[in-house]
Amino acid sequence: DSGVTQTPKHLITATGQRVTLRCSPRSGDLSVYWYQQSLDQGLQFLIQYYNGEERAKGNILERFSAQQFPDLHSELNLSSLELGDSALYFCASSVDPPRGDTDTQYFGPGTRLTVL
Amino acid sequence: KNQVEQSPQSLIILEGKNCTLQCNYTVSPFSNLRWYKQDTGRGPVSLTIMTFSENTKSNGRYTATLDADTKQSSLHITASQLSDSASYICVVRGGSYIPTFGRGTSLIVHP
Repeated sequence: DSGVTQTPKHLITATGQRVTLRCSPRSGDLSVYWYQQSLDQGLQFLIQYYNGEERAKGNILERFSAQQFPDLHSELNLSSLELGDSALYFCASSVDPPRGDTDTQYFGPGTRLTVL
Repeated sequence: KNQVEQSPQSLIILEGKNCTLQCNYTVSPFSNLRWYKQDTGRGPVSLTIMTFSENTKSNGRYTATLDADTKQSSLHITASQLSDSASYICVVRGGSYIPTFGRGTSLIVHP
């Protein structure tokens, strides 16, 4: 158990809908990262938050957005869902700043999103 | 463009045998390189991390090497076990906060 929790575990929805994925980081970790992993792709970095502020942005679509709240939990919002958005979405957390051994990212169990 | 290439894409070995997975990267500047193990349907778990000055790091039966001059790393698994069946992902961090992930090597260990 990494100490990172994600809910829900599974999510099935229809095209055009909007969903929210939730992540609680490990106690004491200030950074939260979101990743997408589909069958034909490796892990794709989406976005990172540090202590409530956006720190880095990767290949995140405009239909997707995220935020980190004062209690450090984070939510990833996916809207106007398409079939191709079906994937595993992972959240990870780490101690910041991400240098040397302190940047170990601890991954949650993931949310499997299926868009029908 | 920062890239991380892993080989082979997949590998099947018999239980008890050794194997070596490769990772080549073009990330610059270089900060650290990490190997993750990802069981099917689960989040990756860190195995080893190496910085520029380190050229080998062990974690039980896993030994990672790093050649920063040629920008190559390898992960050697000794006396494989069925539980080693997983995807092994090489991740390189450069000067930015964004790590670059390889696509992984899928390892299957047969009894």
